[in-house]
Amino acid sequence: ETGVTQTPRHLVMGMTNKKSLKCEQHLGHNAMYWYKQSAKKPLELMFVYNFKEQTENNSVPSRFSPECPNSSHLFLHLHTLQPEDSALYLCASSQGLAGSYEQYFGPGTRLTVT
Amino acid sequence: GDSVTQMEGPVTLSEEAFLTINCTYTATGYPSLFWYVQYPGEGLQLLLKATKADDKGSNKGFEATYRKETTSFHLEKGSVQVSDSAVYFCALSDHNNNDMRFGAGTRLTVKP
Repeated sequence: ETGVTQTPRHLVMGMTNKKSLKCEQHLGHNAMYWYKQSAKKPLELMFVYNFKEQTENNSVPSRFSPECPNSSHLFLHLHTLQPEDSALYLCASSQGLAGSYEQYFGPGTRLTVT
Repeated sequence: GDSVTQMEGPVTLSEEAFLTINCTYTATGYPSLFWYVQYPGEGLQLLLKATKADDKGSNKGFEATYRKETTSFHLEKGSVQVSDSAVYFCALSDHNNNDMRFGAGTRLTVKP
């Protein structure tokens, strides 16, 4: 248990569906992240939030829309996804953005787009 | 920009064998270095870290020493167990980045 929870753990959706992934951290951290982990590819950073403000968008397609209502919650809204978007989506949090701060990861949401 | 390169896997060892997973980095500043481990079906967990040159991080029998002269942070364990089977990620973070840079991951399988 890392103090970062993600729901749902598994999600199957069609290309025309709209769904949301939720992440919550109970660590009092200020920064939160979304990563995409695909088979046989390096971990891809998608979005970074610090004190609820988005500080980085790593050229992510607009069909992925993040939302950070407060420092403890992070959402990833999904719409009109493609099969190649099937992956494990990991949320993480850290005390601060850079330097010696380690990131704490949730268990991930396994997304399958049919 | 900053980056991390780690040895490609997969690595397969017998129980009680010695483990080394190589990791080298490129950074313009003075990064902190990390090893994360990902067990099947789970997210990444911090295994150990080192924040300055010559620091040694250690946890659960794993060790890694921050070598500035060789820009390396190799992960070692003297005697692996079946339960160590997982994917291991080397990573760095410094004050120039808003994120952490991860290596590609090395899959370790330990056989009884």
